[in-house]
This record gives sequence, structure tokens and C-alpha cells, in this order.
Amino acid sequence: EVLLQQSGAELVRPGSSVKISCKASGYTFTDYYMHWVKQRPEQGLVWIGRINPANGNTVYAEKFKSKATLTADKSSNTAYMQLSSLTSEDTATYFCTRSLAVWGQGVMVTVSS
Amino acid sequence: DVVLTQTPPTLSATIGQSVSISCRSSQSLLHSNGNTYLNWLLQRPGQPPQLLIYLVSRLESGVPNRFSGSGSGTDFTLKISGVEAEDLGVYYCVQSTHAPNTFGAGTKLELK
Repeated sequence: EVLLQQSGAELVRPGSSVKISCKASGYTFTDYYMHWVKQRPEQGLVWIGRINPANGNTVYAEKFKSKATLTADKSSNTAYMQLSSLTSEDTATYFCTRSLAVWGQGVMVTVSS
Repeated sequence: DVVLTQTPPTLSATIGQSVSISCRSSQSLLHSNGNTYLNWLLQRPGQPPQLLIYLVSRLESGVPNRFSGSGSGTDFTLKISGVEAEDLGVYYCVQSTHAPNTFGAGTKLELK
């Protein structure tokens, strides 16, 4: 069974950074792009970017180029997303998704002092 | 960026009723390789999205065949032939033909 297991909820301070993880199982990690998607409370889905785990190549949506950094560790089949300079606008649930077809359960990131 | 316009934003249906959701793109989603990368997702309350349809009309494994997708170019439709209670939630179209990937704003299906 293909599974994407994401890390737990985060409560972080404004101005700080957070790194969330997405551990893949049930398939060859390097065979599929991993995408990341943002969903603010009661809002729609917004594409952040994607990484090719085979070579680390990344593509970002323009508005996330200075906000998100995507990485992947082939040895542990885990993808990561770091979000920097956090503000209240970054309070959201963040999903990893294999090619927009298989989805992780989401990580709620709350930015609050 | 490609803009996907979904209509209606909200859909009220009775159990057993057939409904359709439209997704219109600001530009053609036909890729140079001949594929059209338009998917449909369902997000039930409190859950991550679930893939229903990919490449316009291909039913994802395990998805009931009351769901069907059609369309080409810039106009696409998701049809549910006989709504069931488990179908309630928000439906999204998403394109990955053109970078960046973009989502429609969603259509909320609720019980009448």
C-alpha cells in the first residue's frame, strides 16, 4: 500500500522557521515527483512546488520561492519542506502528495506568539 | 498562471440525483505530448483530498463508476450519476499541464 506519513502539528512563533516531513512507503521513492500543497482554514488548495527525489530538482510557485525550501532524503524515503520567516498568513494545513494522486494526512502549522 | 474556473461554487443535491460540475481553463490544457493533465479531487470534511479522475476521464482505482469525467481543451466536466451520502464534500479540478500547477476554487456538494 502506498502511504505518505506526515509529521505532527506545529505551533511556531512569528519570524521563526519550521521543517515538516513526509515519509513515503509502498513504492519506489525516486520514481515520482513529490508535491506540496497549502490549505488555509476553510480555504481552497494552493500549489507550493514539487521536488524530484531522484535528483533533488525543484520547481516552486512564484509566491513561495522565498518562503518554502523542498528537499528529499533518498536514504530514508522522506521529503521535507522548510518554511521560513513565518507570519500569520502561513497558518495552514500543508499536504505532501505524490503526483497529486496519493496524499498525506496533512500537517497543521499554527503561527502564533 | 492558468486559471481554473469552477461552477457552481455550491451544489445542493438529493440522494440519487445526478449532478455536474464544470471546470473551465484560461488556456488549453492539451500538452505537447498529447495528454491533457486535468484531474478531479474530492475533499471530505477533515480529510485530505482524494483523487477521483485523472487525465480528464480516467477513473482512479477504487473510485465508484458513478463518477465520470469528460471534456477537452479548456472545458471539462465531472458528473456524478446518482449522488450518495459519502459523496458530500468539496470537489476540485487541478491542472498540471502548465507550470505552476493550479487548482480550481472548489465546488461544495451538500445535501438539499
